[in-house]
Amino acid sequence: AQTVTQSQPEMSVQEAETVTLSCTYDTSESDYYLFWYKQPPSRQMILVIRQEAYKQQNATENRFSVNFQKAAKSFSLKISDSQLGDAAMYFCAYRSLLTQGGSEKLVFGKGTKLTVNP
Amino acid sequence: GAVVSQHPSWVICKSGTSVKIECRSLDFQATTMFWYRQFPKQSLMLMATSNEGSKATYEQGVEKDKFLINHASLTLSTLTVTSAHPEDSSFYICSARAIAPRGTFFGQGTRLTVV
Repeated sequence: AQTVTQSQPEMSVQEAETVTLSCTYDTSESDYYLFWYKQPPSRQMILVIRQEAYKQQNATENRFSVNFQKAAKSFSLKISDSQLGDAAMYFCAYRSLLTQGGSEKLVFGKGTKLTVNP
Repeated sequence: GAVVSQHPSWVICKSGTSVKIECRSLDFQATTMFWYRQFPKQSLMLMATSNEGSKATYEQGVEKDKFLINHASLTLSTLTVTSAHPEDSSFYICSARAIAPRGTFFGQGTRLTVV
């Protein structure tokens, strides 16, 4: 079974600075998806960024980018020019490419609470 | 965009009663729906996966008879917590997988408090 590990329970960053959230995962599959989700105090899960494992290029969405190291099974999230609205819980998640046997489910890490200081 | 509506957003019920939570995909058809449970300051734990018209697949340790899942159509799944007890108090979140638009979309969650 796949596992996702987020080793930083909490992180803080100054407004306008850059912060990197860590995520490692374990899988025997060669193709899969990786995600970062944001959960603000409203608790609505919001997709931040998505990476397909077969793509070597790191995904980027505006101020959010990832460092995907497939061999190391590492998938970190970099937030540039941090804003107060970025404060939230961030969850790293894994999803198999398989579509049978319940493999479409997302496997989440324990999350990292990000605080943005003004 | 793809919207998943979860209702109610919060509910308080008495111990021993049953509570039904609805999860609807408003503008797309959901091939698969997922139900998660989230304890305070913890991650989402998958409870079950459901496909329209078939029985849900429950994760190990989740009581099928206690957490009844019905997926009657491509746009609606329900989770019924039967004979609720205080330890069932939690935040429940549904998500829906879609082909068009492609992705997994989450409902707003339901905070259940059993007193």
